[in-house]
Amino acid sequence: EVQLQQSGAELVRPGTSVKLSCKVSGDTITAYYMHFVKQRPGQGLEWIGRIDPEDDSTKYAEKFKNKATLTADTSSNTAYLKLSSLTSEDTATYFCTLMYTTDYFDYWGQGVMVTVSS
Amino acid sequence: DIQMTQSPASLSASLGETVTIECLASEDIYSNLAWYQQKPGKSPQLLIYDASSLQDGVPSRFSGSESGTQYSLEINSLQSEDAATYFCQQHHDYPYTFGAGTKLELK
Repeated sequence: EVQLQQSGAELVRPGTSVKLSCKVSGDTITAYYMHFVKQRPGQGLEWIGRIDPEDDSTKYAEKFKNKATLTADTSSNTAYLKLSSLTSEDTATYFCTLMYTTDYFDYWGQGVMVTVSS
Repeated sequence: DIQMTQSPASLSASLGETVTIECLASEDIYSNLAWYQQKPGKSPQLLIYDASSLQDGVPSRFSGSESGTQYSLEINSLQSEDAATYFCQQHHDYPYTFGAGTKLELK
């Protein structure tokens, strides 16, 4: 069974960048698109975008096009989300997720909390 | 973008009762809808996909239905472990969008 393990919580300064990782075990990362979802404290879910690790093609929600960058390393079976020019609006939990047995998000990482504060 | 309008924002119910949560899509999403359950500090868990298909391992007291662009999640015979926030999500077109969520409390 596939498992998604995300990196640890981050406390970062405004204006800087942070790179979050999502390591896949139990299957090869190239078999699936990897998606990332944002959840601000006490709020709903926002789809950020997805990457196809097979060819590194990406697709982003419009509001994240200048904020998020998705990459993947097939040698380590890991996908990455880089967030740039961080502000308090980026304080949130970020999840990686994929469609494994259905065409929906049926496997999720545990989430990583990013806190942007000076 | 496709807007998903979810209601109610919160509800309170007793053990054994039946509750219904609804999502209205801003356009036809052709049954490409999922329901997720999220408990505090946890990742969302898929309950229902394709509007009415039950994900493996999910209790049969959860069911989904649709009428036009209106989608519903029904939970029968509420159990204490059903206290959570529920989200709908459309899968029809990018960007994938979610409803704002419904917080279910058990009395």
